[in-house]
Amino acid sequence: AQSVTQLGSHVSVSEGALVLLRCNYSSSVPPYLFWYVQYPNQGLQLLLKYTSAATLVKGINGFEAEFKKSETSFHLTKPSAHMSDAAEYFCAVSVAGGGSNYKLTFGKGTLLTVNP
Amino acid sequence: KAGVTQTPRYLIKTRGQQVTLSCSPISGHRSVSWYQQTPGQGLQFLFEYFSETQRNKGNFPGRFSGRQFSNSRSEMNVSTLELGDSALYLCASSLGQAATDTQYFGPGTRLTVL
Repeated sequence: AQSVTQLGSHVSVSEGALVLLRCNYSSSVPPYLFWYVQYPNQGLQLLLKYTSAATLVKGINGFEAEFKKSETSFHLTKPSAHMSDAAEYFCAVSVAGGGSNYKLTFGKGTLLTVNP
Repeated sequence: KAGVTQTPRYLIKTRGQQVTLSCSPISGHRSVSWYQQTPGQGLQFLFEYFSETQRNKGNFPGRFSGRQFSNSRSEMNVSTLELGDSALYLCASSLGQAATDTQYFGPGTRLTVL
């Protein structure tokens, strides 16, 4: 069965600093990988998605993530944090089960705080 | 295009009651999924409906049920409410299968069980 682990339930960075949110997954077959963001009092919004086309995936708001099969990781980065990036970030992995049916599992989430 | 809407936004119920939550997906989306979000358990998948058929189901007791109508609108029902059912319930819609397609989430319904 697949699983996803987000290292660090809370990450704090200064405005302008690098943002690095870690996600590791376990899967015996090629997965789909997602990063979603949730702003306070809102639903989730897709940041980016990996579907095996390219290992470096660029998303919205300057975020990107690199799929590393050997490390089973899909870490999310942004070169320079902005105050508006403060939110909770969720990594999700989807793996094929029986036939064409996929199962999606979300990580526990990482709360990003940006300090002025 | 209008986004995913959920009604009501807030609900307060007492133990033993039942509740029905409603979700209207983005126009043209045929898949609707429901999630329960709590601080302790995070985001947990309840079920997915596609063209009025339940396609996937999470590990929740039978008290949690749902349905989808021909216009893709979906409802979720929880019977015999327990204190532990207090949570944010999120609905998401997608064009295709939820597990591989981009999901668009509504703002959620905050359920408090007293």
